Amino acid sequence: QVQLVESGGGVVQPGGSLRLSCAASGFTFSSYGMHWVRQAPGKGLEWVAFIRYDGSNKYYADSVKGRFTISRDNSKNTLYLQMNSLRAEDTAVYYCAKVKQGLAFDIWGQGTMVTVSS
Amino acid sequence: DIQMTQSPSSLSASVGDRVTITCRASQGISNYLAWFQQKPGKAPKSLIYAASSLQSGVPSKFSGSGSGTDFTLTISSLQPEDFATYYCQQYNSYPLTFGQGTKLEIK
Repeated sequence: QVQLVESGGGVVQPGGSLRLSCAASGFTFSSYGMHWVRQAPGKGLEWVAFIRYDGSNKYYADSVKGRFTISRDNSKNTLYLQMNSLRAEDTAVYYCAKVKQGLAFDIWGQGTMVTVSS
Repeated sequence: DIQMTQSPSSLSASVGDRVTITCRASQGISNYLAWFQQKPGKAPKSLIYAASSLQSGVPSKFSGSGSGTDFTLTISSLQPEDFATYYCQQYNSYPLTFGQGTKLEIK
């Protein structure tokens, strides 16, 4: 079945870096755009970034632009989020999500927790 | 950025009730509107895309309508598993934005 599994979360100090991964299975990964979305503790959902199926275009929320980089390796069926210059306000559960059509989501991963704290 | 405003922010209802949640966009988004359900400690689940199209496997008790700036999610015959938080989202333009959520609680 279609499945997305995030990994790479953890505790990091302010100013540090972390790379999240999202392993995809059950569908042709190279044919679909992918999103990252985050949710701070007790808060709502915030879209973070999008990458086209072939990696040719990437879009970011202003809150992470210049600090986060979305990328993908279609040969490994894996999506990435490189997070640099982390701040306390980046503390959240990070979800990857598959595009159904256009930019619409369908499948979500289970999430990985990132905590930025000294 | 397009602001998405949901109402109400919270809603109490009983098993068997029919409820409606509304979502308003700060500017027209055609039908590029999705709805998600989230239960505590779980990932969101996609319910509806393109304002009224049901995601695969989602029961027909969920329905969406609207276009432009005003949208609704209706859930008929509430069951215990439907009590959750619901979010709308626009994907008409970047940045994609979500509503603040509507928490549906058991009365």
